[in-house]
Amino acid sequence: KAGVTQTPRYLIKTRGQQVTLSCSPISGHRSVSWYQQTPGQGLQFLFEYFSETQRNKGNFPGRFSGRQFSNSRSEMNVSTLELGDSALYLCASSLGDRGARGLYEQYFGPGTRLTVT
Amino acid sequence: DQQVKQNSPSLSVQEGRISILNCDYTNSMFDYFLWYKKYPAEGPTFLISISSIKDKNEDGRFTVFLNKSAKHLSLHIVPSQPGDSAVYFCAASTGYSSASKIIFGSGTRLSIRP
Repeated sequence: KAGVTQTPRYLIKTRGQQVTLSCSPISGHRSVSWYQQTPGQGLQFLFEYFSETQRNKGNFPGRFSGRQFSNSRSEMNVSTLELGDSALYLCASSLGDRGARGLYEQYFGPGTRLTVT
Repeated sequence: DQQVKQNSPSLSVQEGRISILNCDYTNSMFDYFLWYKKYPAEGPTFLISISSIKDKNEDGRFTVFLNKSAKHLSLHIVPSQPGDSAVYFCAASTGYSSASKIIFGSGTRLSIRP
C-alpha cells in the first residue's frame, strides 16, 4: 500500500507571497490532518479534514486554510507569508472513523520544508 | 501552555541497554496516548499507543506505561538497537469523538551508542 505523499518536498518563498501544499493520503483513509513542526515546538496541529469538511481546527491565524477533495486528497494554503511560517509542514492520514485506532493512529507523509525569506 | 511535555530534549543509551523516554501531561481529560518515532527527512511513524483504561501496553521491544495519578507515561525500549536512534514524540488526545485532536510533545532525540 502506498504511503502518504506530499508535494513539493521543499519550497522557498518570500514574505507576503502565498503558498499551496498538497497531500495525498493512504488509499482508503478519509481523514487528513495538517501539522506544523518548528524546532523546539514539536508538532502543532493546524486542522483536520474528513469527507471534504473541516472537522477540527487548531490555534492558527486565518492565513492558514485548507480543503479536501472528493478523493480525500488535501491542500493547505498559507497566504501573506511571514518569516515565522518557515517550518516543516506535515500531513497525516487516518481512517477517520470513530474508535481510537481509526481516529488517532495516523500515518505521516515526509513533509514539505517551507522557507520564507 | 504545553499540555504534553517531554522534558528531556535528548537521551544517549548504550546498545543493548534499556531506553526510557518520559512524557508528562497536564490535562486529566486525555484518555488516549501515543508514541511516534521520527527519522530525519521522514514523517513521524506510529509506534505504540495506550488507552487510559490500561496501565501498560507491550509490542515487541516496546512497552508503554501509563501512570494516570501522576499524569505520566513512559516508553521503554529493550534492548536498544542502533536503528532506534531517532526523535520520539509523545502525543495525547481526549475522548473518542471526531472533534478530538492530538496534542504532541516537543520530542526527545534518542541516540544509541555502540
